[in-house]
Amino acid sequence: GAGVSQSPSNKVTEKGKDVELRCDPISGHTALYWYRQSLGQGLEFLIYFQGNSAPDKSGLPSDRFSAERTGGSVSTLTIQRTQQEDSAVYLCASSSTGNSPLHFGNGTRLTVT
Amino acid sequence: GQQLNQSPQSMFIQEGEDVSMNCTSSSIFNTWLWYKQDPGEGPVLLIALYKAGELTSNGRLTAQFGITRKDSFLNISASIPSDVGIYFCAGVTRFMNYGGSQGNLIFGKGTKLSVKP
Repeated sequence: GAGVSQSPSNKVTEKGKDVELRCDPISGHTALYWYRQSLGQGLEFLIYFQGNSAPDKSGLPSDRFSAERTGGSVSTLTIQRTQQEDSAVYLCASSSTGNSPLHFGNGTRLTVT
Repeated sequence: GQQLNQSPQSMFIQEGEDVSMNCTSSSIFNTWLWYKQDPGEGPVLLIALYKAGELTSNGRLTAQFGITRKDSFLNISASIPSDVGIYFCAGVTRFMNYGGSQGNLIFGKGTKLSVKP
């Protein structure tokens, strides 16, 4: 597609369950980012991929959070044993290599009940 | 860590008014970006600034990369109702230890534009 695609757009899950969020970056973009945006807040950096490797995972809040990227394209963000404080919009973005601006998807709104 | 201070946090606009917002930091950035986010959508890039002192326009939007590389402002002239939303500044750093031109964005907390009641 023309832009960054994220799925699902909305996810409601029970506390303690695992969730998987998917991101399809713009074709040819080698850099991929995950951000978290809580209600009324700015964007919190989670993890950055260059190709399939993640040089910076410093933003992952806990070991319940993990992400992978395969084939230099699709990425999945997994949250295990979800907690209510995990409720937020999870945004994915991609960019071409170098000092290029990020292009964002519309996010996945996660609600943990 | 590096932080961006974005102000104001919120403001009300009346159609036709000019609007100004800015971001400052104690750190130096290589690139400044301005994004706008509408409800239910991801941020959309408005303007990218790559050189200190650079002044760039995009329609009614004008943004400048501060000469010290520690600040940037965004102006919106003759605002219209569809300008409402949340505007984010973002500064790009470089991870020189990765041996390449890889970057990460540091975002400000946003400026929320609303219509004056």
